[in-house]
Amino acid sequence: SQKIEQNSEALNIQEGKTATLTCNYTNYSPAYLQWYRQDPGRGPVFLLLIRENEKEKRKERLKVTFDTTLKQSLFHITASQPADSATYLCALLGKSSGDKLTFGTGTRLAVRP
Amino acid sequence: KAGVTQTPRYLIKTRGQQVTLSCSPISGHRSVSWYQQTPGQGLQFLFEYFSETQRNKGNFPGRFSGRQFSNSRSEMNVSTLELGDSALYLCASKIVGQMNTEAFFGQGTRLTVV
Repeated sequence: SQKIEQNSEALNIQEGKTATLTCNYTNYSPAYLQWYRQDPGRGPVFLLLIRENEKEKRKERLKVTFDTTLKQSLFHITASQPADSATYLCALLGKSSGDKLTFGTGTRLAVRP
Repeated sequence: KAGVTQTPRYLIKTRGQQVTLSCSPISGHRSVSWYQQTPGQGLQFLFEYFSETQRNKGNFPGRFSGRQFSNSRSEMNVSTLELGDSALYLCASKIVGQMNTEAFFGQGTRLTVV
């Protein structure tokens, strides 16, 4: 069955450093991969999307890579700030127009001042 | 424009009861999906509705059902509640016809079954 794995342990980093979060998947050939941010008690908020034929995507301090051979995406936040503390979810979407968006369990990021 | 609205925000129910949750999507969004989020399982897909038809379904028992109205508003119903149904229920709306667009989530309904 399809499986999306994100590091369940929280990632603690110092302000100003680069945070790197990992998303691995198996038994899946996604056409698109998305990253969301979720704050406690709130719904996820979309951050970035990357297509299967794209290697890298950037948006301000965010960078996403997508390696379909390794079946892995890396999500980077450069110059991290305490305000970046949240849970980050990766989500995969297949090629079919009727396919559902499937989420990983998320990784909690804590940026200390 | 207004975001996705879910009501109620919080709900406490007793085992065996049933519950109905509501979701109003962003204007113009015709696809509405429902997710259950628990600490151990993360976001689990329940079902998706488009044009009043269920077009995708997750692996949940038949106690979980939903519907969509002609104005795209959606409801989900859980009958014969169990303690394990306690969770944050999220709905998300999308623009139809564009696979690569983002999902817009509501704040969720926190359901507690006692």
